[in-house]
Amino acid sequence: NAGVTQTPKFQVLKTGQSMTLQCAQDMNHNSMYWYRQDPGMGLRLIYYSASEGTTDKGEVPNGYNVSRLNKREFSLRLESAAPSQTSVYFCASSETLGRIQGNEQYFGPGTRLTVT
Amino acid sequence: QKEVEQNSGPLSVPEGAIASLNCTYSDRGSQSFFWYRQYSGKSPELIMSIYSNGDKEDGRFTAQLNKASQYVSLLIRDSQPSDSATYLCAVTTNAGKSTFGDGTTLTVKP
Repeated sequence: NAGVTQTPKFQVLKTGQSMTLQCAQDMNHNSMYWYRQDPGMGLRLIYYSASEGTTDKGEVPNGYNVSRLNKREFSLRLESAAPSQTSVYFCASSETLGRIQGNEQYFGPGTRLTVT
Repeated sequence: QKEVEQNSGPLSVPEGAIASLNCTYSDRGSQSFFWYRQYSGKSPELIMSIYSNGDKEDGRFTAQLNKASQYVSLLIRDSQPSDSATYLCAVTTNAGKSTFGDGTTLTVKP
């Protein structure tokens, strides 16, 4: 049971380049999330998917797009990278969203992205 | 005002002491409360969840929730150097929105 996996682990981009961060979970969870974490700022939600076929904006969605490819996979795309997008990106999943129990989130190992 | 606030760190305690981490939240519709531990350079790891008022104990960890005061805390008894990490408080509302605090960094000194 791998849990939540993310690729790549590290990436360096030049300003204006595009890339897709991949995330997959094998826990049969319905909900998936993308966060970014900057030093001293905690986790900020970029986008989330409550269930297969749905996606919604989080706190900081500008400059990003997402695709919930199937129940297992949730990708994050940067169309035109900017230095302000230098961060650590975490994908997470939970059994469900909105009920009292089942919101526990399980995180992938993260992608460390630098935009120069 | 931030939606989830944690006591500013860093927090330093001697080995064997009790570490107390605090968190307040602003949304009275919040219904699920979590503590995550994050080692430097690693991803957050869930250590406690609590849903109703009172205390919940799991080994050396105790989570306390007071919805009237909009307050949740984590106590770590018999602190060990391996407990040195950043602890994140997370709150989920009944609409499913999750918000994380900025974290409190704990150092346990041998």
